[in-house]
Amino acid sequence: GQNIDQPTEMTATEGAIVQINCTYQTSGFNGLFWYQQHAGEAPTFLSYNVLDGLEEKGRFSSFLSRSKGYSYLLLKELQMKDSASYLCAVRDRGYSSASKIIFGSGTRLSIRP
Amino acid sequence: DSGVTQTPKHLITATGQRVTLRCSPRSGDLSVYWYQQSLDQGLQFLIQYYNGEERAKGNILERFSAQQFPDLHSELNLSSLELGDSALYFCASSPTPTGANVLTFGAGSRLTVL
Repeated sequence: GQNIDQPTEMTATEGAIVQINCTYQTSGFNGLFWYQQHAGEAPTFLSYNVLDGLEEKGRFSSFLSRSKGYSYLLLKELQMKDSASYLCAVRDRGYSSASKIIFGSGTRLSIRP
Repeated sequence: DSGVTQTPKHLITATGQRVTLRCSPRSGDLSVYWYQQSLDQGLQFLIQYYNGEERAKGNILERFSAQQFPDLHSELNLSSLELGDSALYFCASSPTPTGANVLTFGAGSRLTVL
């Protein structure tokens, strides 16, 4: 089966740091994505991890541990515009060498002044 | 503009009806994914096509069907609509079938079933 877990909601303060965790159990694993989605809008790509370790991209970093089925997204120097849902997604195996991209339910992050 | 075009943006219809949602992938992308997002829910994977062929299937109801045409645009057909089918339907595209590339999402089609 496939299961992706992340906290439903988080709150953080402007200028601070927040870590959003994601754990997954899938029949196959070929990479993990993080997407940002503002309410009513399309998800936009933040990061992609396929190997263990930390990927840093500006204020956002993403970490992956394949042995633990665990990832986190780290957001630094939080800004009000970072208030959004953050979606963890795992690239699983479909058939004919295709892949299913399975999303978690998302973490709604609220930034307070 | 992400380059992925979805029409219509909004659609209101009644239970029992049938609707068709359309998606044009980003130029150069051969793979199309369909997702359903109900209110305050995550993205539920429905189905994936690559260059006209079905490549992966998720929790797509039998009342729903999709296809990808030779010009690579895709259509998602929803029939015998129920209230619970009200949702945002997103299409995403990528260059390859393996999803190794980033998925680029369209703006979505918001379906309301009354």
